[in-house]
Amino acid sequence: AQSVSQHNHHVILSEAASLELGCNYSYGGTVNLFWYVQYPGQHLQLLLKYFSGDPLVKGIKGFEAEFIKSKFSFNLRKPSVQWSDTAEYFCAVKVVDSSYKLIFGSGTRLLVRP
Amino acid sequence: DAMVIQNPRYQVTQFGKPVTLSCSQTLNHNVMYWYQQKSSQAPKLLFHYYDKDFNNEADTPDNFQSRRPNTSFCFLDIRSPGLGDAAMYLCATSRSSTDTQYFGPGTRLTVL
Repeated sequence: AQSVSQHNHHVILSEAASLELGCNYSYGGTVNLFWYVQYPGQHLQLLLKYFSGDPLVKGIKGFEAEFIKSKFSFNLRKPSVQWSDTAEYFCAVKVVDSSYKLIFGSGTRLLVRP
Repeated sequence: DAMVIQNPRYQVTQFGKPVTLSCSQTLNHNVMYWYQQKSSQAPKLLFHYYDKDFNNEADTPDNFQSRRPNTSFCFLDIRSPGLGDAAMYLCATSRSSTDTQYFGPGTRLTVL
């Protein structure tokens, strides 16, 4: 069965520090990849997505992610975090077939200290 | 403007008492999904509708049912809630299976 791993469950950073959140998936075929963010008390929002093309994708609020097919990874990065980035971040994968299922990782809680 | 709306945001029910959660969308998307998210866990797909076609995930308990009376609305019915059904229930929509899913704010269900 397909699965998504987010190895960092909790991350604490100071403002202006750089961020990298890991995401690995287990499926050898074609996938669509997503990062969602959930700010405290709010709903899941799409940060960025990769369907095809340039493996380095840029999203909202200065986030970017790089798809490395050989490593089955889709890590999220931001060069300088802000206090307002405090949130939970979910990586999600969708296998490109007839399935509608979006498979989520267990999430990473990011706390940015001012 | 809200695009995927879930009501209520918080729902308390008693053990074994049927409960219905509601989702509506203004996006006119073909597909509507229900996910269950337990504390500190990933959202897990329960089922989805493509238009009127219902698709149940293999491991979704029979206790969970859904209705989609029209394009805009979708309901999640829990026939006999158990303590283990306490969770956040997320509704999402997409135009098709390959498109991005847009999520509502969720309904947090408490079972007493």
